[in-house]
Amino acid sequence: EDQVTQSPEALRLQEGESSSLNCSYTVSGLRGLFWYRQDPGKGPEFLFTLYSAGEEKEKERLKATLTKKESFLHITAPKPEDSATYLCAVQARFGGSGNTGKLIFGQGTTLQVKP
Amino acid sequence: DAGITQSPRHKVTETGTPVTLRCHQTENHRYMYWYRQDPGHGLRLIHYSYGVKDTDKGEVSDGYSVSRSKTEDFLLTLESATSSQTSVYFCALRTENFEQYFGPGTRLTVT
Repeated sequence: EDQVTQSPEALRLQEGESSSLNCSYTVSGLRGLFWYRQDPGKGPEFLFTLYSAGEEKEKERLKATLTKKESFLHITAPKPEDSATYLCAVQARFGGSGNTGKLIFGQGTTLQVKP
Repeated sequence: DAGITQSPRHKVTETGTPVTLRCHQTENHRYMYWYRQDPGHGLRLIHYSYGVKDTDKGEVSDGYSVSRSKTEDFLLTLESATSSQTSVYFCALRTENFEQYFGPGTRLTVT
């Protein structure tokens, strides 16, 4: 069964304190792994897509990396405005998910950055 | 910005009444999705569409139906609302490179 697990559930950082969020996945052939940011009361905002192991993507203070079993979202010198819930999702290449384009989401990591 | 709007943004309704949520896209993407988001369950797929009049069920489709008569509009109907359908509903569209972009959501409360 395709599955995504994110850790930790919650993370509190001081401004400038770098850290990483983890997304572990099992999937029947990975078409893509997606990272989203979600602010309270809003829809998920697309951040990155990673397609194959070894791939990395960067955007401002965020850097996403991918291995065959997990992805990391590295946050360098975070600011209070980086506070949000970060969601990881995978899309399978095969089986039902491959046909539907269905995303399988993790539960998310809620990040709080204090000034 | 993928140009997705949802209406209404908030709705309170009574148990047993039908409810229709609307998703509208300003682009011409073929695939559209309805998800619900609940604490402890994350985002779960209700129904999806792969073209006009082409729809199929997701993992939590019981009690919901959908329709897509035009490329730009995807409707979600709760045939007879129940308290278990109190949730936040998100519409999404998929681009050609399989990225999904979400709308702002509809917060539905069934009393």
